[in-house]
This record gives sequence, C-alpha cells and structure tokens, in this order.
Amino acid sequence: DGGITQSPKYLFRKEGQNVTLSCEQNLNHDAMYWYRQDPGQGLRLIYYSQIVNDFQKGDIAEGYSVSREKKESFPLTVTSAQKNPTAFYLCASNLGRLNQPQHFGDGTRLSIL
Amino acid sequence: QKEVEQDPGPLSVPEGAIVSLNCTYSNSAFQYFMWYRQYSRKGPELLMYTYSSGNKEDGRFTAQVDKSSKYISLFIRDSQPSDSATYLCAMSLTGNQFYFGTGTSLTVIP
Repeated sequence: DGGITQSPKYLFRKEGQNVTLSCEQNLNHDAMYWYRQDPGQGLRLIYYSQIVNDFQKGDIAEGYSVSREKKESFPLTVTSAQKNPTAFYLCASNLGRLNQPQHFGDGTRLSIL
Repeated sequence: QKEVEQDPGPLSVPEGAIVSLNCTYSNSAFQYFMWYRQYSRKGPELLMYTYSSGNKEDGRFTAQVDKSSKYISLFIRDSQPSDSATYLCAMSLTGNQFYFGTGTSLTVIP
C-alpha cells in the first residue's frame, strides 16, 4: 500500500541532544513537508522541500534542520537549540503541483526526559 | 488576525444527528479547500477536497464553500460514534502552501 511512514512513533530527548525523526513516502510525491502540532495552535510549518536537494524554511524553522537526498525521504533533526521541542510532529507530501492536497503520516510524539 | 479561524469545540452530538463544522478565513485568494479527520495520536486523513465555491458530496459528508462570505462548512449526516475525532479545515492558494484551522473536537454519543 502506498503511504507515508514516520518513525519512531514515540521519541524521548535528553538535554543537549539532537534527535532525528524519519519520514519515508512511496507515493512518488515530489514535495514533502514537516509540521509541528501543539494543542490549540493547529499545524505550523517547519520546513518543506519541493525537489531533491532543495528545501525551504517554514514559519518555525529555528532549532530544526532537514535534508532531502532522496525523493522518498525527508528526515527532520530537532537540535539542542530548539528549547521547547515537546510536540507531535507530522510529515506530509503531495505532488507539489496545483490542485493537489497533502497527505499525512501518523506522526511522531517527541517528549523531553 | 489568523488566516483561518475554526471553533475548537468540543462538540458533542447524539448518534444519527447532523453535524455542521465551520471555518472562516481572511484571504480571499484561497482557491483550494480541504477537510481532514484526525483521530487521537494519528495523522490527519483527507476527507474532502474542493476547488472554489460550491458543494461537494461524498457519502455522508458534504463540503460547502462560500467564497463571497469566506466561509467553509463540512456537514456529516447520520453521524456515527466512529466519526468522533478532531476535524481540521485547510486551504491553499497554489497547492504548495497550506493554512490550517486549529481543529474542532467532535464526540458522537451512542
């Protein structure tokens, strides 16, 4: 079945530690996105990528980094510079052209130890 | 002012009721409108996708867009306990940048 796979489902971070969240899609989508979801705030865009080896900052990119070495993969690193990383992280993808909605993975819940 | 406003609820209805969920928006240039359903600890699932004004029906779900009022709605007929979830509205100018509501929590009581 085609879809978006996020792993792990739950992740814990210690102080000063970087952690990486995985996102893989087999939908042959060109564009991929990372969102952060906090209660009462809706989805906020962290980074997005429309093609391999290219990505742009979203509204809340500080303390995060990404790479897009393969079309299928768009990992997100939460660095120690992100002071409030506890949230539900969602990866999405679409064809990146007009008239194409986003599809989401099932998220990674990141908590601080 | 937020780009998209959505009443967070919570909304609680008896099984079989008609549910109306709504969003308003400020940018008249939005062209694409979506409704997602999100169960607890899961990612949003695309329910409805419409372009410009008008109605779109899919089974028990009807999406309505009124661009003149900058108002979109999702109607759920014959609501079921399995419809209990958070519903997110979203909209887009070009298909590359999306704006989401904060979600409305719905509980359907058996």
